Amino acid sequence: TQLLEQSPQFLSIQEGENLTVYCNSSSVFSSLQWYRQEPGEGPVLLVTVVTGGEVKKLKRLTFQFGDARKDSSLHITAAQPGDTGLYLCAGAGYSTLTFGKGTMLLVSP
Amino acid sequence: SAVISQKPSRDICQRGTSLTIQCQVDSQVTMMFWYRQQPGQSLTLIATANQGSEATYESGFVIDKFPISRPNLTFSTLTVSNLSPEDSSIYLCSVGKRGSPLHFGNGTRLTVT
Repeated sequence: TQLLEQSPQFLSIQEGENLTVYCNSSSVFSSLQWYRQEPGEGPVLLVTVVTGGEVKKLKRLTFQFGDARKDSSLHITAAQPGDTGLYLCAGAGYSTLTFGKGTMLLVSP
Repeated sequence: SAVISQKPSRDICQRGTSLTIQCQVDSQVTMMFWYRQQPGQSLTLIATANQGSEATYESGFVIDKFPISRPNLTFSTLTVSNLSPEDSSIYLCSVGKRGSPLHFGNGTRLTVT
């Protein structure tokens, strides 16, 4: 069974701070996806990383896929209250998608 | 990307009753998936809804408890039967291909009393 461990589980910071959340596994994935879920809504895809060592940037968000394609990180620069939400990583196998438990981020003004 | 409408958005049901959740997509899709999101837990795939055939259930989920319909390529329903408090959860409809990024509906928050 493929497992994805996300850390931290919960993060509360002030506006303007930087943060990094992690997604780790002992399994190799063909790709890894990051989603953000706001209260009362479904998860929304932020990015997919495919190549080991790949780095993708989405405005203030930087996503990195580990060289061995077993782990990933999401770094947010100068967090804003609008970044508040549950961040989920999901590892893709041949025909499966395994989700982590998520990191709940709260950014206070 | 597909627009997915899920109804109801939330409901409170009594133990022993059933709730049917509807999922409507604005375009024809081959695969529709039903997920459960329990508090503090990861999203868990319940089943894949196949048009014209029975749904494919994941380990730990059975048709008697979670009957699914897929009458056409834009619509599916999930029924959660014989409700117990342990069924309190968010249920999510999604579309996409297995192993690929998914588009999700806004979910149905079910509370069983």
